[in-house]
Amino acid sequence: AQTVTQSQPEMSVQEAETVTLSCTYDTSENNYYLFWYKQPPSRQMILVIRQEAYKQQNATENRFSVNFQKAAKSFSLKISDSQLGDTAMYFCAFMKLRVKLIFGTGTRLQVFP
Amino acid sequence: GAVVSQHPSWVICKSGTSVKIECRSLDFQATTMFWYRQFPKQSLMLMATSNEGSKATYEQGVEKDKFLINHASLTLSTLTVTSAHPEDSSFYICSARDEPGTSSYEQYFGPGTRLTVT
Repeated sequence: AQTVTQSQPEMSVQEAETVTLSCTYDTSENNYYLFWYKQPPSRQMILVIRQEAYKQQNATENRFSVNFQKAAKSFSLKISDSQLGDTAMYFCAFMKLRVKLIFGTGTRLQVFP
Repeated sequence: GAVVSQHPSWVICKSGTSVKIECRSLDFQATTMFWYRQFPKQSLMLMATSNEGSKATYEQGVEKDKFLINHASLTLSTLTVTSAHPEDSSFYICSARDEPGTSSYEQYFGPGTRLTVT
């Protein structure tokens, strides 16, 4: 069965600094999607970034970028120039069979001024 | 675009009663919707996949007779918690999958419904 592991329950970073959140997954599929979602205190799930497994180029969205290592089954999220509004729970997710999302346990990120 | 709403945002009900939660895709059609449950400080757990015009597919361990799902139209899915008990208290989140034609199969999430059973 597919699993998604986030080994960092909590992380903290100073405003304007860079932080990297880790995620590993296990699958026997070759084509799949990976996502990072943000859940702020409002609890609204917000898509941060997505990566298609068949693309070798790492996805980038403004201050957010990923380091996708397919062979190692690793998918880390780098947040540059951290802002107070980045404070949230971050979930790594794997799209199984192109329909079901499997979420990791989450990393709570606190950005300090 | 791609907005999903949920109603109500918060509901309190007495033990033994039933409560219905609505999930609507406001600006797109969704043949597939998903229902998740989230306990405090935990991850999202998929409960069931709702397909328009057919029966929902429940994940292992989810009681389908307790959590009734109806997907009557391309924009509306409902989750009814029947004979609710305090242990059903949780945060319920729905999501809707954009129609095929987009390459990402992205799911758009509703704002969630907090259910408290007293």
